Amino acid sequence: DVKVTQSSRYLVKRTGEKVFLECVQDMDHENMFWYRQDPGLGLRLIYFSYDVKMKEKGDIPEGYSVSREKKERFSLILESASTNQTSMYLCASSFAGNYEQYFGPGTRLTVT
Amino acid sequence: DQQVKQNSPSLSVQEGRISILNCDYTNSMFDYFLWYKKYPAEGPTFLISISSIKDKNEDGRFTVFLNKSAKHLSLHIVPSQPGDSAVYFCAAGGQNDMRFGAGTRLTVKP
Repeated sequence: DVKVTQSSRYLVKRTGEKVFLECVQDMDHENMFWYRQDPGLGLRLIYFSYDVKMKEKGDIPEGYSVSREKKERFSLILESASTNQTSMYLCASSFAGNYEQYFGPGTRLTVT
Repeated sequence: DQQVKQNSPSLSVQEGRISILNCDYTNSMFDYFLWYKKYPAEGPTFLISISSIKDKNEDGRFTVFLNKSAKHLSLHIVPSQPGDSAVYFCAAGGQNDMRFGAGTRLTVKP
């Protein structure tokens, strides 16, 4: 069964902290994605990766960075968390050449 | 700018009736369209898709219709069941350039 896991379901951090969100998939997918979901805005792509050590900016990369050292793991990093980064963060993965993405359960991050 | 729009934030339907969820997009280069379903505290799960070369795709109770000239797609659920109550996201684009709508919350009343 397809599985995408995210390290935390809920996270509370202070402004200025460095935050790491981890995502692991066990499907040997080439592509991995990070989205944030906000009310009225749907899912917006932050970064994606189509191979180990490769990354591409999505629509809203400002304030974020990513790391993909292994095929199964894709990390999202908030270098200095701000209150406007309070959101639901969703990780997804897919096979190369395939449109269907598999999502993790999400991490609800609150920055105070 | 939102390239994929779901103009109805919510929809309420009686069990057994048809649910119709709508989605509009702006980019004529989009070549693939998907619907995802999301329950609370879970990530979205794939429901049904359609490529731009087709105008209809059916899977059991779920049918997606694509009108390329109007840049519009819709999801029909017949008959609707209480377990269909969820948020439905429309997505459109290419393999690494998928854009999502804001979602429509469907409530199916017994």
